[in-house]
Amino acid sequence: DTAVSQTPKYLVTQMGNDKSIKCEQNLGHDTMYWYKQDSKKFLKIMFSYNNKELIINETVPNRFSPKSPDKAHLNLHINSLELGDSAVYFCASSQELAGVRNEQFFGPGTRLTVL
Amino acid sequence: LAKTTQPISMDSYEGQEVNITCSHNNIATNDYITWYQQFPSQGPRFIIQGYKTKVTNEVASLFIPADRKSSTLSLPRVSLSDTAVYYCLVGTGYSTLTFGKGTMLLVSP
Repeated sequence: DTAVSQTPKYLVTQMGNDKSIKCEQNLGHDTMYWYKQDSKKFLKIMFSYNNKELIINETVPNRFSPKSPDKAHLNLHINSLELGDSAVYFCASSQELAGVRNEQFFGPGTRLTVL
Repeated sequence: LAKTTQPISMDSYEGQEVNITCSHNNIATNDYITWYQQFPSQGPRFIIQGYKTKVTNEVASLFIPADRKSSTLSLPRVSLSDTAVYYCLVGTGYSTLTFGKGTMLLVSP
């Protein structure tokens, strides 16, 4: 069984379009994350949700909007896509124990290409 | 915001011990240090986590000095399959999670 899954795995789209990436975890974790990994492999956190509440919101354009319908899902919607949005987006989840966010389990990634 | 610095790349040979150091001078009191491994076209995978002194598991050891301004991931007797990018992550709780820029480890026969 896949612990953290993302769909789609590849996404190719035109500039200006709106797209969504879905993420689901079946680990029962209370925290989920979105990361962006650029072509230089730098891994930057974008958002983090704990029990459906936003707890980390890095400086990302407001064209990016996370949505957490329940604890097991954290979707990423991107409006008006730009060339610079091309990257691999990773979803992850973790469980907090005594104030410590333990190991994060990452999904396989979604490679977004904006033409 | 804990900023981390780690070497861009390292080379090793099979069977050697590899030590990768991460600097995090402004680590916060509540921050933990976590290391991840990433293979091409895959998501990062947890290796080890620690707060201070030494932590060891079945795949690696993590050494953290008393001032916690750096940490060293130690991989004993590496094999070709350990060729990957290794990331140092600092943070916990409700603080921002900061990944290092990664160290590309190349293990040769």
